[in-house]
This record gives sequence, structure tokens and C-alpha cells, in this order.
Amino acid sequence: NAGVMQNPRHLVRRRGQEARLRCSPMKGHSHVYWYRQLPEEGLKFMVYLQKENIIDESGMPKERFSAEFPKEGPSILRIQQVVRGDSAAYFCASSRGTPLGVNTEAFFGQGTRLTVV
Amino acid sequence: KNQVEQSPQSLIILEGKNCTLQCNYTVSPFSNLRWYKQDTGRGPVSLTIMTFSENTKSNGRYTATLDADTKQSSLHITASQLSDSASYICVVSNMEYGNKLVFGAGTILRVKS
Repeated sequence: NAGVMQNPRHLVRRRGQEARLRCSPMKGHSHVYWYRQLPEEGLKFMVYLQKENIIDESGMPKERFSAEFPKEGPSILRIQQVVRGDSAAYFCASSRGTPLGVNTEAFFGQGTRLTVV
Repeated sequence: KNQVEQSPQSLIILEGKNCTLQCNYTVSPFSNLRWYKQDTGRGPVSLTIMTFSENTKSNGRYTATLDADTKQSSLHITASQLSDSASYICVVSNMEYGNKLVFGAGTILRVKS
């Protein structure tokens, strides 16, 4: 079991370009969570998805950001027309079930570090 | 407002010494509290998970305590090692929002030889 795989690990984009971040959950996990971490700050919830469904996107900015988790393939976090303020580490976590009760562990990927220049 | 506050912000200790990290939270209703270790440039890794009915839980040299009445938790690290240098993050699960995880900003621990 390779764990939660995120790619790319590092991504550099110019202002106005699009950024696509990919997350492959652990085998057998159908729940995916995306978090953003700014320097010196804690992880902030963005969106929670199950296969083909967005369950909770309350932490996602209303514009330019979107997420999907198709029936086949990885979950994608897409940021259109990136700005310097989008520079951060984006972490994906997956779990077998939800809610994230005491018996439900969330496993994190290594993150994608996005730098907007 | 659902928040998790950690102290100290950073800490430097000598190898072999013990240390205790603090976490205060206002998340309600509370479901469970987790401590994660995050190495630089890596994703968080779970150390302990506790419900409101648990007072203490250990994982090797890591011991977490929880006082659900005062909404405080601590993580005690015994006989520190250089590899313990990392950020330690307190995470509280909010039962009202599908057990959404609320993260503290973390305590950065540096263990020196």
C-alpha cells in the first residue's frame, strides 16, 4: 500500500496560469480531503469529496478554485488564474469512512508546494 | 468560534530531555482530539487519537492527556531524540460538522545534541 500519493511535489506557476494538483488516495479509501497550509500557519480545510460527489466545500474560495474526485483516477484540485496569494502547501488526506470518528484515521500525503511567481 | 490554540509556538530542548506541549480548544461539540507529527516538507502523521472519555493515551515515548472539562490537552515527549525535531499539531474534530478536523498552528520542536 503506497499511501496517499500527491503530485507534483513542487509546482511553479506564473500569475494567471492554471495549477492542477493531483491526489491518489490509499487503496480502499473513497473519501478525500484537501487542506491548505500557509507558512507559519495550521492546515485549513478546503473541501471534502467522495467518489463523484462534493460533500463539503465550505473552505474553498468561491472563485478560481474547484475540486473533483471522478469514478476513475485521482482527485484533482484545480486553481485557475493563480495569484501570488495562492502560494502554499496543499495537502490531501484520505480515509476509509466518515465521519472522522475515533476509529477513522485520516492519512495525509506529502503535499504539493505551489509557488506563484 | 471553533479554534485550537497551541503553546509554546516553538521550543528547543537538549537530546534526552523531556518536554510537554500544550493545546487549548474551543471546538464544540467535541468529538475527538488528535496529535500529529509533521516533519519539515512532509505530511502530518498521526500519533494519538482520544475521545472525550479518555484521559490519557500513549504511543511509545509520546503520551497525550485530555481534560474535556477544561478543554485542554497536552503531549509529553519522554527522552527526546534528534528525530523528534518536527512540528506537533493538535487537531480537534467538530462533531457538528461531520467531524471536520480543526487544526492548531503547531508547536515547532527542535532537539539539539
